[in-house]
Amino acid sequence: RKEVEQDPGPFNVPEGATVAFNCTYSNSASQSFFWYRQDCRKEPKLLMSVYSSGNEDGRFTAQLNRASQYISLLIRDSKLSDSATYLCVVTTSGTYKYIFGTGTRLKVLA
Amino acid sequence: SAVISQKPSRDICQRGTSLTIQCQVDSQVTMMFWYRQQPGQSLTLIATANQGSEATYESGFVIDKFPISRPNLTFSTLTVSNMSPEDSSIYLCSVEKTGVGTDTQYFGPGTRLTVL
Repeated sequence: RKEVEQDPGPFNVPEGATVAFNCTYSNSASQSFFWYRQDCRKEPKLLMSVYSSGNEDGRFTAQLNRASQYISLLIRDSKLSDSATYLCVVTTSGTYKYIFGTGTRLKVLA
Repeated sequence: SAVISQKPSRDICQRGTSLTIQCQVDSQVTMMFWYRQQPGQSLTLIATANQGSEATYESGFVIDKFPISRPNLTFSTLTVSNMSPEDSSIYLCSVEKTGVGTDTQYFGPGTRLTVL
């Protein structure tokens, strides 16, 4: 089983739609969680950290479910510019190592 | 955040040659990382480079193939040695910065390497 698993997609959604991605992780000792966004032929860029209490940044909401070992990303009112690959990242307590999921591709259609 | 530059941005190399990739950051950082992203894949950590000590390599990566230098707190190099077509990939450096509640990694723009 992979340490971090994501549905590769692509998720094709119309502008204005709400879309949600999940990411599961296998190590119950995982400590920190992030969502990164990667545009085609670009480097990953931090979208948001994921806190135990959940967090929201504008149209983006991230949630953590430790019991079921998954994190989620919800995007409301999708924009064309949201089209990208969304990478789930997990770190383990006591290490600095980032473990990346394979990413979920999102295409927002006009 | 951090402003990170990499050189070269891309290169096409012949089998058997070596390429050194440079990573420069705009502020002093303790930890720098080198990743590889093969076509259609996610990122895989090659090694961690701390200033003043030997790089720490991940399973499947060795110093002879990927020697790393870290001469100061703002700069690192990764060399891809004796290249083969299987080394064709994007190589990214990243740095760790302390943020609110957690440490976060920021990535350079990457070096796109093609080996013929």
